[in-house]
Amino acid sequence: KNEVEQSPQNLTAQEGEFITINCSYSVGISALHWLQQHPGGGIVSLFMLSSGKKKHGRLIATINIQEKHSSLHITASHPRDSAVYICAVEGSQGNLIFGKGTKLSVKP
Amino acid sequence: EAQVTQNPRYLITVTGKKLTVTCSQNMNHEYMSWYRQDPGLGLRQIYYSMNVEVTDKGDVPEGYKVSRKEKRNFPLILESPSPNQTSLYFCASSLRPYNSPLHFGNGTRLTVT
Repeated sequence: KNEVEQSPQNLTAQEGEFITINCSYSVGISALHWLQQHPGGGIVSLFMLSSGKKKHGRLIATINIQEKHSSLHITASHPRDSAVYICAVEGSQGNLIFGKGTKLSVKP
Repeated sequence: EAQVTQNPRYLITVTGKKLTVTCSQNMNHEYMSWYRQDPGLGLRQIYYSMNVEVTDKGDVPEGYKVSRKEKRNFPLILESPSPNQTSLYFCASSLRPYNSPLHFGNGTRLTVT
C-alpha cells in the first residue's frame, strides 16, 4: 500500500466548476505540500501546510492531521488550471514521499 | 532572481559513461534534494541534504551519488549510467529542512542508451 494516496487519478471538469482533489497518508508527517506540474514539466509549489487551511486566489488547501487527510480545492475552475496536482508529505527524517498525482483537465 | 538552476536540460548518453547533473540555488537554502519522475511511478526522492556536508538517501539512491561541499550546489553523479536511469530529474531546495516551501529546478531529461 502506498504511503500517500491521491484521488481521483484523473479528473475532467467544465470551466467554472468547483474541484476537489484528495490526499490521504499513512505516516507521521511534519508538513504536507501541494505541487502543480503543467504539461512541459515544470513543478511549482502551491501550498505548504502543517495544520488548518490556506487560501491563495481561487485555490484552497486544508489538512486534518488527526484523520491524515488533505484536500485541494479550486473554485471557478479555468482551462489554465489544467495540470497535474501532486501531494507530498514530509517524513520525520527530512525525506519527502509523493502521491502519484491527479491529472486535471478543465474544458472551456 | 531567486531560482534553482539545473543543467543540462536534456542529456543523451551511453551506458557506463559517467555524468554529472548540476544543481545550484541562489537563495541561501539549507535543504536541497534530487528526485526522479517516471510514468506511472510519479516522483521519487533519490538523495537529500539538510546542510553542507550532510547527505541522506531517499527512496531510490542506488546508482547515484551526491555531494554538498558548499551550500549553493548539490550535483547528482551517475558513475556508470544504465538504461533504467532514463528519467526526468528534478532538483529542489527549501530554506529549512522542515515546514518550508519547495523551489524546483526546471528538470533534466536524461536518456541512457
